[in-house]
Amino acid sequence: KQEVTQIPAALSVPEGENLVLNCSFTDSAIYNLQWFRQDPGKGLTSLLLIQSSQREQTSGRLNASLDKSSGRSTLYIAASQPGDSATYLCAVRGAYSGAGSYQLTFGKGTKLSVIP
Amino acid sequence: GAGVSQSPRYKVAKRGQDVALRCDPISGHVSLFWYQQALGQGPEFLTYFQNEAQLDKSGLPSDRFFAERPEGSVSTLKIQRTQQEDSAVYLCASRPDRGRPSEQFFGPGTRLTVL
Repeated sequence: KQEVTQIPAALSVPEGENLVLNCSFTDSAIYNLQWFRQDPGKGLTSLLLIQSSQREQTSGRLNASLDKSSGRSTLYIAASQPGDSATYLCAVRGAYSGAGSYQLTFGKGTKLSVIP
Repeated sequence: GAGVSQSPRYKVAKRGQDVALRCDPISGHVSLFWYQQALGQGPEFLTYFQNEAQLDKSGLPSDRFFAERPEGSVSTLKIQRTQQEDSAVYLCASRPDRGRPSEQFFGPGTRLTVL
């Protein structure tokens, strides 16, 4: 059974710092990996999706990398801002076909606080 | 609307009551997913529809949970005889095409509190 772990569980940084969030998964047979942001009381906002054949994806100040063989992904946030404060979730979709292959398996998230 | 919508946003139920949670996916999206997110946890998969067909319900925690999507658009998640451990945020997500490696788009969720 796929398990996704995110470290650290919480992170507090001063505004302007660059930071890295970590995600690891136990089964490297994945179809893709997706990073989400969740604000309190809100749903999930998709940030980046990396296909299993890709190494990284970039969107603005965000860069996500994927090392499938080692079961790791990182989300790099450059020049952090108070508005980046949220919980960041990593999720993987398995590569196998059939029932269960479309679902996402999530980590518990990293709660980020960016201090002005 | 432009995104996935869910109603109600908040629901308080007495233990033993039945509840029904609604999801309106993005128009034209083929795939629809339900997830359960307990406090401090990541979302956990409940069930998956492709159009009106429920292809995977392996995540439903008990036979008190039932989901349907009769016309391949709106979906309802029903929980019978609610229990305190059912308290969670229930998230719905949709995806446009099962054959494409596309993203899942999530709604705001319904926060269920069972007293």
